Amino acid sequence: DTAVSQTPKYLVTQMGNDKSIKCEQNLGHDTMYWYKQDSKKFLKIMFSYNNKELIINETVPNRFSPKSPDKAHLNLHINSLELGDSAVYFCASSLETGRRYGYTFGSGTRLTVV
Amino acid sequence: DAKTTQPTSMDCAEGRAANLPCNHSTISGNEYVYWYRQIHSQGPQYIIHGLKNNETNEMASLIITEDRKSSTLILPHATLRDTAVYYCIVSRRGNEKLTFGTGTRLTIIP
Repeated sequence: DTAVSQTPKYLVTQMGNDKSIKCEQNLGHDTMYWYKQDSKKFLKIMFSYNNKELIINETVPNRFSPKSPDKAHLNLHINSLELGDSAVYFCASSLETGRRYGYTFGSGTRLTVV
Repeated sequence: DAKTTQPTSMDCAEGRAANLPCNHSTISGNEYVYWYRQIHSQGPQYIIHGLKNNETNEMASLIITEDRKSSTLILPHATLRDTAVYYCIVSRRGNEKLTFGTGTRLTIIP
């Protein structure tokens, strides 16, 4: 199936831990994103990568570090997790040229910090 | 990017056309209107976008007023699976950052 896939789907962890969320797309897209959706359901962009280069960093704490080993993957590593990091994290991808077909989003990773 | 205003919620009877309005009175000439929806617990899904002409695809139609200050997303024959939050977003084409507002919660009633 062609898609944006994220793992894990659910992640429950204790404060202070370090965790990673993985994202892969097989759509041939060249731009990938991480969005955060908080408990009030606001969707906010965190990062954007184009061909492995960081192009957007939206004032996200430096405990969050995205890593793009190739243009099909964009992983999110979070250090020293805090309660406020609990949210649903969505990965997305798009074709740079014209954004003709919009973004394709993954199904999300629900992170719960306890 | 221009700000958008949408009703908080709407209901529509199953089988009828659902018309979702969006105001974007500060839209500039190079900004497109994009529509996405988010079905409960899923990632947002792209629906359609347009600049100034009306657009139609297999999911919906987009009607943009001549002054481009407002638009309407039309789901021609709503089904229960169309129950979702619908987001109207205005953005320059090629802008990597889509800014989501609060959207319209559309409920399709059997």
